[in-house]
Amino acid sequence: QKEVEQDPGPLSVPEGAIVSLNCTYSNSAFQYFMWYRQYSRKGPELLMYTYSSGNKEDGRFTAQVDKSSKYISLFIRDSQPSDSATYLCAMSRGGDYKLSFGAGTTVTVRA
Amino acid sequence: SQTIHQWPATLVQPVGSPLSLECTVEGTSNPNLYWYRQAAGRGLQLLFYSVGIGQISSEVPQNLSASRPQDRQFILSSKKLLLSDSGFYLCAWSPAPLRSRQETQYFGPGTRLLVL
Repeated sequence: QKEVEQDPGPLSVPEGAIVSLNCTYSNSAFQYFMWYRQYSRKGPELLMYTYSSGNKEDGRFTAQVDKSSKYISLFIRDSQPSDSATYLCAMSRGGDYKLSFGAGTTVTVRA
Repeated sequence: SQTIHQWPATLVQPVGSPLSLECTVEGTSNPNLYWYRQAAGRGLQLLFYSVGIGQISSEVPQNLSASRPQDRQFILSSKKLLLSDSGFYLCAWSPAPLRSRQETQYFGPGTRLLVL
């Protein structure tokens, strides 16, 4: 079993729809959670960063962490064609310099 | 603000040839530095990380090596490339310990390597 599981998709939605992405993990020691956006042939870009459980909102993006269920989510409201990318979740125990990544979900927003 | 550079952007090399990829970070001091490989349709595989000059930790035994000759410079090398070394190589940095958001990593633009 992988330490971090993420459905690779692909996910295709019409413009304006809500995009819902999620990851599950097995290591209960994870306490730092991140979402990265990666456009084709580019490096990943940090999108959201959350410590421990709870919600965090930044513009059209909302990140949720449920440590009791070992489940994290990213929601994109009012999706735009420019949101078409691969979204990677990442998480860390803290203190050992390493991130564990999901495989990434490819999202296409249709105009 | 901090900036991370990688070059070259694209590289096509024959099997058996040497490799040198370079990564530099600007706007910060004593960063942690990382090399990742991303195969097509797959996740990120950590290859090496460094917490200081000359300090390299290897995550995966393989045909590659890394060096950190200066505080903000990280180099990925190989003496003889294999076909399986093809992929997208990403350099990343994170803030030095005791600073906020230590667990976050910031990625460079990547180098696409094709070994023929």
